[in-house]
Amino acid sequence: EDKVVQSPLSLVVHEGDTVTLNCSYEVTNFRSLLWYKQEKKAPTFLFMLTSSGIEKKSGRLSSILDKKELFSILNITATQTGDSAVYLCAVTPNTNAGKSTFGDGTTLTVKP
Amino acid sequence: KAGVTQTPRYLIKTRGQQVTLSCSPISGHRSVSWYQQTPGQGLQFLFEYFSETQRNKGNFPGRFSGRQFSNSRSEMNVSTLELGDSALYLCATSQETSTDTQYFGPGTRLTVL
Repeated sequence: EDKVVQSPLSLVVHEGDTVTLNCSYEVTNFRSLLWYKQEKKAPTFLFMLTSSGIEKKSGRLSSILDKKELFSILNITATQTGDSAVYLCAVTPNTNAGKSTFGDGTTLTVKP
Repeated sequence: KAGVTQTPRYLIKTRGQQVTLSCSPISGHRSVSWYQQTPGQGLQFLFEYFSETQRNKGNFPGRFSGRQFSNSRSEMNVSTLELGDSALYLCATSQETSTDTQYFGPGTRLTVL
């Protein structure tokens, strides 16, 4: 059975700090790993990673995938209070009938 | 492009009743997946529909069912509601398969009393 483990489960930092969120996975026939941000509503898409070693970047957020060691990290630099959210990691297998498996999420709280 | 829409946004039902939730995908998206999210269990996959066919199913009892129409809109039905069915029900749509990037709707918050 496919499995996604995120760590830490929760994190409290102050504005301006840099955080690193981890996602490790086990999946049969890996296709992609996705990161989502969820505030008090539905998840919003952040990144999709399919290749090892290629960093995806969007503003202060960046993510990279290591397909050999089966993990991904999500970095947030110069954190702001608006970054407070649950960050979800999901993996999808390489089959048309595949389903995404989600981790439990990391709850990030950024204090002013 | 309009995003994924879900109706209703909030619902309160009592045990034993049944409920139908609706999801309209982004235009051009043909795959619709349904998820249940609860504080204790996180985000759990219910089922995925593509071209009016259920293509994959999670580990939920038969009280949970769904269907998809020719315009890709999908409905999810829960019969004989239980207190534990209280959750946020999210649908996510993608172009071809659930392995493409999924875009989530705002969810339907179901409370079972």
